[in-house]
Amino acid sequence: NAGVMQNPRHLVRRRGQEARLRCSPMKGHSHVYWYRQLPEEGLKFMVYLQKENIIDESGMPKERFSAEFPKEGPSILRIQQVVRGDSAAYFCASSPVAGDSPLHFGNGTRLTVT
Amino acid sequence: SQQGEEDPQALSIQEGENATMNCSYKTSINNLQWYRQNSGRGLVHLILIRSNEREKHSGRLRVTLDTSKKSSSLLITASRAADTASYFCATAGVSGNQFYFGTGTSLTVIP
Repeated sequence: NAGVMQNPRHLVRRRGQEARLRCSPMKGHSHVYWYRQLPEEGLKFMVYLQKENIIDESGMPKERFSAEFPKEGPSILRIQQVVRGDSAAYFCASSPVAGDSPLHFGNGTRLTVT
Repeated sequence: SQQGEEDPQALSIQEGENATMNCSYKTSINNLQWYRQNSGRGLVHLILIRSNEREKHSGRLRVTLDTSKKSSSLLITASRAADTASYFCATAGVSGNQFYFGTGTSLTVIP
């Protein structure tokens, strides 16, 4: 049973470009969480999705950031018009049920904005 | 707001010693979880303790939870060099919508 798969592992974008980060949850998991981590810091919650629904996006910046989890295919975190401050590691986690089971994490996508 | 604050920020011990990390949080929780992160990798779940539990064991790990003080501790006994990593606590709110992570404790075990 494959774990949570995130790709790409590393992504370099110039300021103003778009970044698309993909996350395939573990098989049977319908709950997906996205987190952002800056060097030497903890994880900041961004968004929580179930299949085809955004449940909680309270941690997501209001502009330029969006997330989806379609019926088929991976969850996508999209950052438009990236700025240097978007440089960070972005982690995706999945779980089979909400709140009462451990999160399974991918190895993250390291975004560098030049 | 984000919650979960680990203490200490960094801890350095000799192999074989015990390591204790503490976590404080702010609001009511459904459960509290501890995770480990090796450099450059994702987080790995270690142990989950529910709000109605006070103590839980898993191998060399012992977790306590005091909901009246809104705090938890993680004890790693007989530490090994391979335990070197960052350790995070995460709290699941009663709605289950969010998991909030603390800032982490960086543990170094010296061989």
